[in-house]
Amino acid sequence: EPEVTQTPSHQVTQMGQEVILRCVPISNHLYFYWYRQILGQKVEFLVSFYNNEISEKSEIFDDQFSVERPDGSNFTLKIRSTKLEDSAMYFCASSETLGPVAKNIQYFGAGTRLSVL
Amino acid sequence: AQSVAQPEDQVNVAEGNPLTVKCTYSVSGNPYLFWYVQYPNRGLQFLLKYITGDNLVKGSYGFEAEFNKSQTSFHLKKPSALVSDSALYFCAVRVRAGNNRKLIWGLGTSLAVNP
Repeated sequence: EPEVTQTPSHQVTQMGQEVILRCVPISNHLYFYWYRQILGQKVEFLVSFYNNEISEKSEIFDDQFSVERPDGSNFTLKIRSTKLEDSAMYFCASSETLGPVAKNIQYFGAGTRLSVL
Repeated sequence: AQSVAQPEDQVNVAEGNPLTVKCTYSVSGNPYLFWYVQYPNRGLQFLLKYITGDNLVKGSYGFEAEFNKSQTSFHLKKPSALVSDSALYFCAVRVRAGNNRKLIWGLGTSLAVNP
């Protein structure tokens, strides 16, 4: 069964460093998302992406965040200068279409745990 | 404001007994509701969804959920729990996000099924 894959599973970084979290969405999917979950808190929407541009971003997704689809398979989240409060589990998701409801399901990767020291 | 609430942090049930994990929502318009499950070290796995139609929807692993518009609830149920059902369960509602959609999540409920 096709799945969303995320690498690395755990990333440790120093405060102020840049990190890139990588995701490979399901191959025929067109819509891509990043969510994050700070320990003990709700899963929060960060950004959605379609047709090589951001569809919507939350207030969390400030100028230190960026997303990119550098080739036909990868979807990356870059955090330019990490802060302690960026420590969280980051989930990538993809969905096939917004059309027929049967395909309007977001499928998630296993997540990348980011630890900022 | 659009939101999802899961009032129970943890649910404990004996194997073989029925289980219910509660979810209520607050959203304008018709709700598109989802349940996901998260096993340790795994991603969020889609279980089932309600878009329209029958209020009782069936999903993976024998789970079902009942949509109740008057109570704005979407409780997850299973007639007979298995130990392997022990996991973290998330309720979510899909809302418009520009020309895309996003999920708004509950806090999650930890289900423990005891042998």
